[in-house]
Amino acid sequence: GAVVSQHPSWVICKSGTSVKIECRSLDFQATTMFWYRQFPKQSLMLMATSNEGSKATYEQGVEKDKFLINHASLTLSTLTVTSAHPEDSSFYICSARDIPERNSPLHFGNGTRLTVT
Amino acid sequence: DQQVKQNSPSLSVQEGRISILNCDYTNSMFDYFLWYKKYPAEGPTFLISISSIKDKNEDGRFTVFLNKSAKHLSLHIVPSQPGDSAVYFCAASARGSQGNLIFGKGTKLSVKP
Repeated sequence: GAVVSQHPSWVICKSGTSVKIECRSLDFQATTMFWYRQFPKQSLMLMATSNEGSKATYEQGVEKDKFLINHASLTLSTLTVTSAHPEDSSFYICSARDIPERNSPLHFGNGTRLTVT
Repeated sequence: DQQVKQNSPSLSVQEGRISILNCDYTNSMFDYFLWYKKYPAEGPTFLISISSIKDKNEDGRFTVFLNKSAKHLSLHIVPSQPGDSAVYFCAASARGSQGNLIFGKGTKLSVKP
C-alpha cells in the first residue's frame, strides 16, 4: 500500500529556534500534500495544503511566515516551524494521496511530536 | 464550528460483540466520508470509506452506513477484537475542495477480552 514517511518522529528544541519536518511519499508521486496538527485530545486540524512547484495554501489563522512549506519535488514536502515557541508544541502529521482523485483516501505519515522548551 | 462531530469520546465493548461508532456532519457539500483508526503517537490509518451515492459499504468486519437525510454515518465493527482498541476518527471531504479532510474529534474504543 501507499506509504508516507515522516521525519523526525519527535524533536525537542529551544524557544526561538527553527525545526524542519520532512514528509516523503515512498512509492508514489504526490502533487499535493496536506499538513495537519493535532493538540492533545483534539481533532486533526488542517494547517496547509502543499502544492508541488507552487506556493502552499494556508488555512485561516495559520501564519505562513511561521510555518514555511516547501514542496520541491513530487515525493517531498517540508514544513519548517520558524522561531518556535512553547505554544507550537504539538503533533504534526502530513498526508498524501497515491490515487490523484479527490474521492480517494489520504495516507498519513506517522507524525512528528514537537516539544518546544 | 465543528462540521464533523463525534459526540461520544469513548466506547467500551466486550470482545466478540458489535462496536458502533457514530458521526454527524453539518456541511451539505460533504460527499465522501472516511473512517480512520489511530494509535497514540502514530498517524491515522485508513479503514473504510463511502461515497454519498451509496448508503452502505462493507469490508470484512467493518461496515460503514450513511444516512444522508440525517447527515449521519456510523461504523460497525463485528465481531470486535481487543486489537481494535484505538481512537477512531470520522472524516469528510467536500465537493469543490482540494480534497483535504475535515476530521471529528475521535472516539476511543476499548474492546475488553
